Amino acid sequence: DVKVTQSSRYLVKRTGEKVFLECVQDMDHENMFWYRQDPGLGLRLIYFSYDVKMKEKGDIPEGYSVSREKKERFSLILESASTNQTSMYLCAGGTGSIRDTQYFGPGTRLTVL
Amino acid sequence: AQKVTQAQTEISVVEKEDVTLDCVYETRDTTYYLFWYKQPPSGELVFLIRRNSFDEQNEISGRYSWNFQKSTSSFNFTITASQVVDSAVYFCALSEARAGNQFYFGTGTSLTVIP
Repeated sequence: DVKVTQSSRYLVKRTGEKVFLECVQDMDHENMFWYRQDPGLGLRLIYFSYDVKMKEKGDIPEGYSVSREKKERFSLILESASTNQTSMYLCAGGTGSIRDTQYFGPGTRLTVL
Repeated sequence: AQKVTQAQTEISVVEKEDVTLDCVYETRDTTYYLFWYKQPPSGELVFLIRRNSFDEQNEISGRYSWNFQKSTSSFNFTITASQVVDSAVYFCALSEARAGNQFYFGTGTSLTVIP
């Protein structure tokens, strides 16, 4: 079974804190993605990476950065968390082929107070 | 502009009823793929089905069926004889050749099946 794991299911942080969300995949996939999910807005792409140390902005990159030092690990960083970043964050992995599904982790529900 | 539209935000049905979830997409590519995912309360998106742009055959898998119509840019999902375990949020997604493996998701339809 393919597996994408996220470091935390629930996280509570304070405004201004630096927050790290970690994602690990065991599928040897080239591509990894970070989405945020909000009611009524569906999944919106924050950043994705198609190779180690490579990254591309998605639709809503403002306020976020990412790091991919190893193929299996993709980190999402909130440099200075704000309350409007309270959301569900989903990580996914994929092969890079348009015909292949993405595989999702269980999500991290982040609350910024 | 939204590339994938799921107009139904929430649907409630009584157990054993049939229900159809609508998905309308927009693309200029001739090669693309459409997907459906289920997100149960646990949160993880589960892949249900994939359909490529050259295959308009409908597909049935148990109580699930999918109707792909290029003429109306729709890829609708029907659950027959719904069960409480079908309660979830369902997402439709589009993958285009020009965008690599980047997906465009709809806003999701929350389905509640009432016992």
